[in-house]
Amino acid sequence: DAGVIQSPRHEVTEMGQEVTLRCKPISGHNSLFWYRQTMMRGLELLIYFNNNVPIDDSGMPEDRFSAKMPNASFSTLKIQPSEPRDSAVYFCASSLRQLHSYGYTFGSGTRLTVV
Amino acid sequence: GQQVMQIPQYQHVQEGEDFTTYCNSSTTLSNIQWYKQRPGGHPVFLIQLVKSGEVKKQKRLTFQFGEAKKNSSLHITATQTTDVGTYFCAGWGAQKLVFGQGTRLTINP
Repeated sequence: DAGVIQSPRHEVTEMGQEVTLRCKPISGHNSLFWYRQTMMRGLELLIYFNNNVPIDDSGMPEDRFSAKMPNASFSTLKIQPSEPRDSAVYFCASSLRQLHSYGYTFGSGTRLTVV
Repeated sequence: GQQVMQIPQYQHVQEGEDFTTYCNSSTTLSNIQWYKQRPGGHPVFLIQLVKSGEVKKQKRLTFQFGEAKKNSSLHITATQTTDVGTYFCAGWGAQKLVFGQGTRLTINP
């Protein structure tokens, strides 16, 4: 298995532009998570999906952030409009979750820089 | 909400010395997981502990889960340069995994 695949690896954009981050989870995993990592705030859970349904989006910082999972093999995180404070590494992770939690497999991340 | 605190934030050791990081939760956890993130990399799952008082070993790494299921520790014996990175604990509670801030380990060869 290729693991969790994220694209792009790096994104540099100007303030006010729309940014879309993409994630392909591991086949067969039924949970998908979006995290943001910064030096100041560490790893923050933004949103997670179970069986393609958003379960908890309480970590989404503002209405400028939105996430979708149209099918079991694809998810997007969109920021519109982007701001310099959104600069961070964004990780997607997936997991097989049934009765209990299992370890998460993280993608390589997208390093976002908003100038 | 649930909080997971990890100490120390940073640890620098000489190669060959031991290293320990501690994790404490404000609430009782269903389980606790440990991850390692190499510099510039992504978190990689190491292990999960479920039972009260559980101890697991992976070569030079020893993981413990407290009796009250509110704390955990990771101990590395005789560190090697390949152990460099940030070690995160993550507690499962309230239907989601909450990560600690991590302990960044650097090693002097």
